[in-house]
Amino acid sequence: RKEVEQDPGPFNVPEGATVAFNCTYSNSASQSFFWYRQDCRKEPKLLMSVYSSGNEDGRFTAQLNRASQYISLLIRDSKLSDSATYLCVVGLVGGTASKLTFGTGTRLQVTL
Amino acid sequence: SAVISQKPSRDICQRGTSLTIQCQVDSQVTMMFWYRQQPGQSLTLIATANQGSEATYESGFVIDKFPISRPNLTFSTLTVSNMSPEDSSIYLCSGAGLYGYTFGSGTRLTVV
Repeated sequence: RKEVEQDPGPFNVPEGATVAFNCTYSNSASQSFFWYRQDCRKEPKLLMSVYSSGNEDGRFTAQLNRASQYISLLIRDSKLSDSATYLCVVGLVGGTASKLTFGTGTRLQVTL
Repeated sequence: SAVISQKPSRDICQRGTSLTIQCQVDSQVTMMFWYRQQPGQSLTLIATANQGSEATYESGFVIDKFPISRPNLTFSTLTVSNMSPEDSSIYLCSGAGLYGYTFGSGTRLTVV
């Protein structure tokens, strides 16, 4: 079983749609959780951290369920510029001292 | 957040040769990491670069193949030694600090 599992997609959605990505992780000792965005031929960039209480940043909402070891990302009102691969990332130790484990990514294509 | 300059951005190398990749961070980071991203796959951690001491390698990666240096808090190098076509990949460095994690822009290596 992979340490971090994601549906690879691709998800093809029209502009304005709402899309949700899911992720599960296997190590219950994981302490930090992130969603990264990676554009084609570019490095990953942090989209948002994920907290147990859930957090929202504009059109993006992230949720964490520690009991189920499940992370989600919801994108509302999708824009063409949201087209990218979204990486679910899990850190073993809290804070900045942890190694990150990356999911294989979910590809999103937003169309007109 | 910190900015990481990584070079070269790409290279085409002959099998049996070695390539050294450099990363320079514009501010101090507590930890630096080296990742590999093979085509269509997510990031795999190669090693944690430790300042002034030997890097800590992940399972499947060894120092003879991927020697790493980190002489100070803001600079690290990764060498891909005795290259074969299987080493063709994108190599990324990452720094972790108070701001979180930042990635270099990657080195796209093709071994022929």
